Amino acid sequence: EAQVTQNPRYLITVTGKKLTVTCSQNMNHEYMSWYRQDPGLGLRQIYYSMNVEVTDKGDVPEGYKVSRKEKRNFPLILESPSPNQTSLYFCASSLYPGDGTDTQYFGPGTRLTVL
Amino acid sequence: DAKTTQPTSMDCAEGRAANLPCNHSTISGNEYVYWYRQIHSQGPQYIIHGLKNNETNEMASLIITEDRKSSTLILPHATLRDTAVYYCIVRYRYSGGGADGLTFGKGTHLIIQP
Repeated sequence: EAQVTQNPRYLITVTGKKLTVTCSQNMNHEYMSWYRQDPGLGLRQIYYSMNVEVTDKGDVPEGYKVSRKEKRNFPLILESPSPNQTSLYFCASSLYPGDGTDTQYFGPGTRLTVL
Repeated sequence: DAKTTQPTSMDCAEGRAANLPCNHSTISGNEYVYWYRQIHSQGPQYIIHGLKNNETNEMASLIITEDRKSSTLILPHATLRDTAVYYCIVRYRYSGGGADGLTFGKGTHLIIQP
């Protein structure tokens, strides 16, 4: 089944404790992206990747890192989480970057709470 | 990307057609209209997209006005599982290799009543 998977689905952590949220897709998509969703603010893009070893900042990159060493994986790294990073996070992928006719597939979400 | 305007919420009876409007009066000629939906905190799900012709797939129909300033998403036989927030998004055909991120507004909360 074609899908985007994220782990963990739920995470409660404390300020400053490094964490990684994994994202994997099995559709051989070139483009992958991370969003965060907060009440009243909608979905905002954090980072994106056009292909392996190619990443760039989205609208709200502060406090996050990403890497794209393999095509299928795009982990989101919080080196020193803070309470304002408490949010619902979504990973997404699409076949080709920059093509407006392409659709994006979203993962199930990771609900992160930073105490 | 062009801004869209959608009603905050709508009700529809189960089994009836749900018609969700979207205004995008500043849309440019090479921008597509996309619809996604999000069922209670799940990942957004693609529904349909179009440029200027009406489109239909197994999930829905998309009607775009001739001047392209507005569109309507039609769910022909709404079920309780269609209760969700529906997002209308307009996006360029080619982002020029940029962020290519989707800009989600507040969307329409569609509630299907039994």
